[in-house]
Amino acid sequence: NAGVMQNPRHLVRRRGQEARLRCSPMKGHSHVYWYRQLPEEGLKFMVYLQKENIIDESGMPKERFSAEFPKEGPSILRIQQVVRGDSAAYFCASSPQDRGGETQYFGPGTRLLVL
Amino acid sequence: AQSVTQLDSHVSVSEGTPVLLRCNYSSSYSPSLFWYVQHPNKGLQLLLKYTSAATLVKGINGFEAEFKKSETSFHLTKPSAHMSDAAEYFCVVKPTDSWGKLQFGAGTQVVVTP
Repeated sequence: NAGVMQNPRHLVRRRGQEARLRCSPMKGHSHVYWYRQLPEEGLKFMVYLQKENIIDESGMPKERFSAEFPKEGPSILRIQQVVRGDSAAYFCASSPQDRGGETQYFGPGTRLLVL
Repeated sequence: AQSVTQLDSHVSVSEGTPVLLRCNYSSSYSPSLFWYVQHPNKGLQLLLKYTSAATLVKGINGFEAEFKKSETSFHLTKPSAHMSDAAEYFCVVKPTDSWGKLQFGAGTQVVVTP
């Protein structure tokens, strides 16, 4: 059973470009979470999605950031008009359900560098 | 609201000596607590979790943690450090009656010297 997969692993963008980060959850998992890790910091929650639904986006910046988890295909985190402050590691996690102490399984992350 | 505080940003130990990583939490509800490890440029791996069963939780690679409600602590220990334990460790809290977001501590960087 493959783990959570993210691609690309590394992404370089110039200011003003768009970044698209992909996440394929573990087989059988229908809950996806995105987290951002700034340098020298812990992970910060961004958004929680189920298939075709955004459940909690309280951690998403109000502008330029969006996320989706379509019926078919991976979850996508999209950052429009990137700025240098968007440089970070973006981690995706998945779980089969979300209640109690259900474990979230993390992918290897996408490291975004904005020049 | 819940939060988690890791009391040490850096811990340095000699190989073969005990490791102690301290974590205190605050939560309005009975929490689930986790420890994750992150090796350089890698993803996060679950070490162990507490979900209101036994207060002493055993994890992978010889790690264990004890949930102490009276002290609101969930410290991580290992009797004998190995060079491969050098990594960043995150204490994480999630209220059991909530869904979604995990709340991460700032992390503790562990250095193991020969």
